[in-house]
Amino acid sequence: DTAVSQTPKYLVTQMGNDKSIKCEQNLGHDTMYWYKQDSKKFLKIMFSYNNKELIINETVPNRFSPKSPDKAHLNLHINSLELGDSAVYFCASSQDPSRRSPLHFGNGTRLTVT
Amino acid sequence: AQSVTQLDSQVPVFEEAPVELRCNYSSSVSVYLFWYVQYPNQGLQLLLKYLSGSTLVESINGFEAEFNKSQTSFHLRKPSVHISDTAEYFCAVSDRYMSTGGFKTIFGAGTRLFVKA
Repeated sequence: DTAVSQTPKYLVTQMGNDKSIKCEQNLGHDTMYWYKQDSKKFLKIMFSYNNKELIINETVPNRFSPKSPDKAHLNLHINSLELGDSAVYFCASSQDPSRRSPLHFGNGTRLTVT
Repeated sequence: AQSVTQLDSQVPVFEEAPVELRCNYSSSVSVYLFWYVQYPNQGLQLLLKYLSGSTLVESINGFEAEFNKSQTSFHLRKPSVHISDTAEYFCAVSDRYMSTGGFKTIFGAGTRLFVKA
């Protein structure tokens, strides 16, 4: 049983298109996240939801819109894709948003924008 | 704001040799530290964490890290590495998110451990 699962694993698309990445966790966690990992492996948080409520929104272009229909799901929709959006996007979850809770990651979605 | 610095981008080492991956954090009153490992084409997995108590923490696969407050360090060590330890290792710290008072995890730039036969 996969704890945090993301789909698709690979996503290749052209500039200007709109795409979505889905994430689901079966750990019963309250908090979910989206992280972006660039080509140099640097990880940066994008968003965090706690029980469907947005609690972290870093400096991310408005073209990125997260949606959490319930606490087990956090999807990421990206409008008007740009070359610079190419990266690996990781979904993660934690038991709660406290500083003590470690993150559980999905296996990532490699987005390539051509 | 908290930050972590991983001093080595790559560490090549021979199999069965000891290894140390260095991590320094910015000073704070209290700090919660983590090491994560990322194998190729996978997500990150928690290796070990320091929340409080004993300054030496261990993982199930032989890694250990020591919290050193005076040197603001949390170096990761293993006395004898295996080929299968080849991976990217990330040091991380919890940081308060100012807008909501919640916490977010800040990652270092990562250290690629490459174990050679």
